[in-house]
Amino acid sequence: GQNIDQPTEMTATEGAIVQINCTYQTSGFNGLFWYQQHAGEAPTFLSYNVLDGLEEKGRFSSFLSRSKGYSYLLLKELQMKDSASYLCAIRGAASGGSYIPTFGRGTSLIVHP
Amino acid sequence: ETGVTQTPRHLVMGMTNKKSLKCEQHLGHNAMYWYKQSAKKPLELMFVYSLEERVENNSVPSRFSPECPNSSHLFLHLHTLQPEDSALYLCASSPGQGSTGELFFGEGSRLTVL
Repeated sequence: GQNIDQPTEMTATEGAIVQINCTYQTSGFNGLFWYQQHAGEAPTFLSYNVLDGLEEKGRFSSFLSRSKGYSYLLLKELQMKDSASYLCAIRGAASGGSYIPTFGRGTSLIVHP
Repeated sequence: ETGVTQTPRHLVMGMTNKKSLKCEQHLGHNAMYWYKQSAKKPLELMFVYSLEERVENNSVPSRFSPECPNSSHLFLHLHTLQPEDSALYLCASSPGQGSTGELFFGEGSRLTVL
């Protein structure tokens, strides 16, 4: 089975940096995803980590430590439009030829002026 | 526009009604998924189809019945639902084997069961 834990809600100030943590336990690991979901919209892909280390993509970076079962999403130079829910998902063992992601509850980020 | 289209976007139905949700993907992907999203809960996987064969059925009640006639279309047939089935139903697709498994989601169908 899989268990994913992330904070329910975070607040931050426009222009600041925020780090959203995700811890997980899983019997099989084939990658970790971060998705962004604005209210009333579809989740959209942000990042994928399968090896330890930091992946940087513009203002967003994602870090993975497989030995610690830990990841974080780092958002720099926060903008009001970054207010959204951020979903951590684990790609576990293959089932029927497919690797099926399991999602955490999501972290609601509120950016204020 | 993610390349995954869901209809209807909103649906209200009584417990005795029969309705269907439709999902269409224009991305050439091999795998399609149904997820349920309820308030304060993680996305719950319902069904997965890979190359038109169901590969996952996550203990979903029989009042939900999926259908995948081809790799571009996925349906979720609904009958005798309960009020607790009210939620956002999200369809997603992914390229399938050999890919990272990134999911491309539709906008969702907001279902209210009265």
